[in-house]
Amino acid sequence: ETGVTQTPRHLVMGMTNKKSLKCEQHLGHNAMYWYKQSAKKPLELMFVYNFKEQTENNSVPSRFSPECPNSSHLFLHLHTLQPEDSALYLCASSQERNGYNEQFFGPGTRLTVL
Amino acid sequence: GQNIDQPTEMTATEGAIVQINCTYQTSGFNGLFWYQQHAGEAPTFLSYNVLDGLEEKGRFSSFLSRSKGYSYLLLKELQMKDSASYLCAVTGDYKLSFGAGTTVTVRA
Repeated sequence: ETGVTQTPRHLVMGMTNKKSLKCEQHLGHNAMYWYKQSAKKPLELMFVYNFKEQTENNSVPSRFSPECPNSSHLFLHLHTLQPEDSALYLCASSQERNGYNEQFFGPGTRLTVL
Repeated sequence: GQNIDQPTEMTATEGAIVQINCTYQTSGFNGLFWYQQHAGEAPTFLSYNVLDGLEEKGRFSSFLSRSKGYSYLLLKELQMKDSASYLCAVTGDYKLSFGAGTTVTVRA
């Protein structure tokens, strides 16, 4: 247990569906992150929130929409996804958004887009 | 930008030693992390190096040379439970950039 939980753990959706991924951290951290992990590829940073404000969007397609209502919760809203979006989506948190703080990861949501 | 290279796969025998190398080229450098990720699980923190030299933590040690853009993770007295992916990650300009990971398989 890392103190970061994600739901659902597995998700299968069609290209026309709308779904949301949820992340919650119980560590009192102020920064939260979404990453995409595809087989044999490096973790790709998607979004960063620091003190509930989005500070980074790494050229992510608009079919991915993040939401951070408070420092403990982070959502990733999905709509009209493509099969190539199938991957493991990892949420992480750290004390603050800087280069020094260790990031704590959730177990991920395994997403399959049909 | 960041360019981080590490081997894709390594295999070793239980009780042996394995060294996972990581080389990086970055636009800014604050430090280097190593994470362990078992299949289907979250990456978990192993080590963080800021200064040159060797950091030892039980069976695991991590080395950094900033001038050479090089690090390694040393796993000693390998156990079956050490079979996992090991991720090298470099932090610079407030960003954490990951390598593709090295899958280590420990055989009996």
